[in-house]
Amino acid sequence: DAGVIQSPRHEVTEMGQEVTLRCKPISGHNSLFWYRQTMMRGLELLIYFNNNVPIDDSGMPEDRFSAKMPNASFSTLKIQPSEPRDSAVYFCASSWQGASFGTEAFFGQGTRLTVV
Amino acid sequence: AQTVTQSQPEMSVQEAETVTLSCTYDTSESDYYLFWYKQPPSRQMILVIRQEAYKQQNATENRFSVNFQKAAKSFSLKISDSQLGDAAMYFCAYRTITPKSGGSNYKLTFGKGTLLTVNP
Repeated sequence: DAGVIQSPRHEVTEMGQEVTLRCKPISGHNSLFWYRQTMMRGLELLIYFNNNVPIDDSGMPEDRFSAKMPNASFSTLKIQPSEPRDSAVYFCASSWQGASFGTEAFFGQGTRLTVV
Repeated sequence: AQTVTQSQPEMSVQEAETVTLSCTYDTSESDYYLFWYKQPPSRQMILVIRQEAYKQQNATENRFSVNFQKAAKSFSLKISDSQLGDAAMYFCAYRTITPKSGGSNYKLTFGKGTLLTVNP
């Protein structure tokens, strides 16, 4: 398996523009997580999905952020409009979670977003 | 809510020596997972070691081992025979085992991380 695949690896955009980050989880995994990493705040969970359904989006900063998971093999995180304070590394991770057992989370290589 | 605390923002160790990274957590649950992840400069998050709370035996992976003290809610990582390639940010993380209705507690909670420097 190729692991969790994120695209793009790097994104530079101007303030006010729309940004879409993409993630392909590991085949067979049923949980998907979006994290944001900054020096000041560390790793923050933005949202996670279980069986394609958003379970907890309490970490989504504000209405400018939205995430979708239309099927088990694809998810997007969209920021519209983007602001300089959104600059960070965004990670996608996936895992398998059953009724009484789960695997560890496997991370993609992250997308470094710079908003100028 | 579960919290994970890493009290050492930075640590350093001499090559070939042993270093221990600290982690404490707070939870009311009895069954859960604990993890140590490594993030080198490449920024890839790599799983180092995993511990199930119901197992009394401490997990070991080659030069990496943990000291899991469930009553004290402590989960430290020991790196033996440190190598230059061990230099990285290390994150401690917690995840429940027992799902609640709707799976609302499946999320992985991280500490702030410890930056480990290995000196030649």
